[in-house]
Amino acid sequence: GAVVSQHPSRVICKSGTSVKIECRSLDFQATTMFWYRQFPKQSLMLMATSNEGSKATYEQGVEKDKFLINHASLTLSTLTVTSAHPEDSSFYICSARTGDTEAFFGQGTRLTVV
Amino acid sequence: GQNIDQPTEMTATEGAIVQINCTYQTSGFNGLFWYQQHAGEAPTFLSYNVLDGLEEKGRFSSFLSRSKGYSYLLLKELQMKDSASYLCAVMDSNYQLIWGAGTKLIIKP
Repeated sequence: GAVVSQHPSRVICKSGTSVKIECRSLDFQATTMFWYRQFPKQSLMLMATSNEGSKATYEQGVEKDKFLINHASLTLSTLTVTSAHPEDSSFYICSARTGDTEAFFGQGTRLTVV
Repeated sequence: GQNIDQPTEMTATEGAIVQINCTYQTSGFNGLFWYQQHAGEAPTFLSYNVLDGLEEKGRFSSFLSRSKGYSYLLLKELQMKDSASYLCAVMDSNYQLIWGAGTKLIIKP
């Protein structure tokens, strides 16, 4: 299957700082990228959907000013968690697809805010 | 509302066969996916069904009945490494993925 690379895999940051997570499609052009978060023992929760060159569509309850998503090219999307707090500690996963095919997932990023 | 139901947890024996069911009610249907997720890792794609019937891929098979809003994932010749959560997801009329909560599969020797 297609490869989606997510970086970093783990990050620890201090409360109040910002963290950027990158998601790259390595061998295909991702027209759509999705960002999810997953709390322990729970299912994936969609945070936002981004299409290349346009603003992301956020799910209800997700603060767009806190979780900044940029999808500037067909191979790269970034999620920036601004002014992170301990309650933002979670597993963040991106996925990408081209057209209406199945989505391929990045490896995930475990964020710990201390 | 949109809803995906699958069992929370299942237990099976190494070498045996297990069937994980998924029922769904969504606004429109553009395919059903099964993903495998090991603890602490991102999900990996297993199968995609958009037409009724059985899709076989090695030890894993997936079945879909659109009229019944029902799918199952069948795992044969279970191995210890198959211990994981199995997520059912449906793509709705807006091509958004609606996720089930996942089924934790425990394999015993």
